[in-house]
Amino acid sequence: DVKVTQSSRYLVKRTGEKVFLECVQDMDHENMFWYRQDPGLGLRLIYFSYDVKMKEKGDIPEGYSVSREKKERFSLILESASTNQTSMYLCASSSGPDTQYFGPGTRLTVL
Amino acid sequence: RKEVEQDPGPFNVPEGATVAFNCTYSNSASQSFFWYRQDCRKEPKLLMSVYSSGNEDGRFTAQLNRASQYISLLIRDSKLSDSATYLCVPEGDNQGGKLIFGQGTELSVKP
Repeated sequence: DVKVTQSSRYLVKRTGEKVFLECVQDMDHENMFWYRQDPGLGLRLIYFSYDVKMKEKGDIPEGYSVSREKKERFSLILESASTNQTSMYLCASSSGPDTQYFGPGTRLTVL
Repeated sequence: RKEVEQDPGPFNVPEGATVAFNCTYSNSASQSFFWYRQDCRKEPKLLMSVYSSGNEDGRFTAQLNRASQYISLLIRDSKLSDSATYLCVPEGDNQGGKLIFGQGTELSVKP
């Protein structure tokens, strides 16, 4: 059974703080993804990675960076959190152009 | 034109009804197609893949029309537990397994 875990279910941070969201998958998947989901806007791709140390910008990368030092782990970093980054963050992994498996999500609130 | 267009709903139907969701996509190069289901405050989960010949899984039937760039999902004999948001998901660019998630169609099945 594929398992994707995220470090926190709920997180509250202050404006200007550096925020780390961690994602770990246990299926040896090459591809990993970070999305944010907002009401009325659906899932929007922030960054993705198709190999260790590789990263590609998605549709809305501004204000975010990522790190993939190990195959199973993909981190999303908010360098200086802002209130417009309050959202649900979802991590996913996949093997090739195939089904993506999602983690439970992190609901981030930036005050 | 949006990459994926779905009627957001909500579709309010009685138990036992048949309901159909439609979706159009803009990338004619997409090869893989999926329907995902997302329950309230949960992560998206794969409902079914969509094959070019159409496919059925119990009460669920998916159809693909490549010429019209159109995907459909039919749910027969609706159950209360079918209440969720249904996301139409064609493959994105052939790069790192990207998928393009539609905003989803909300279904509410009433007793």
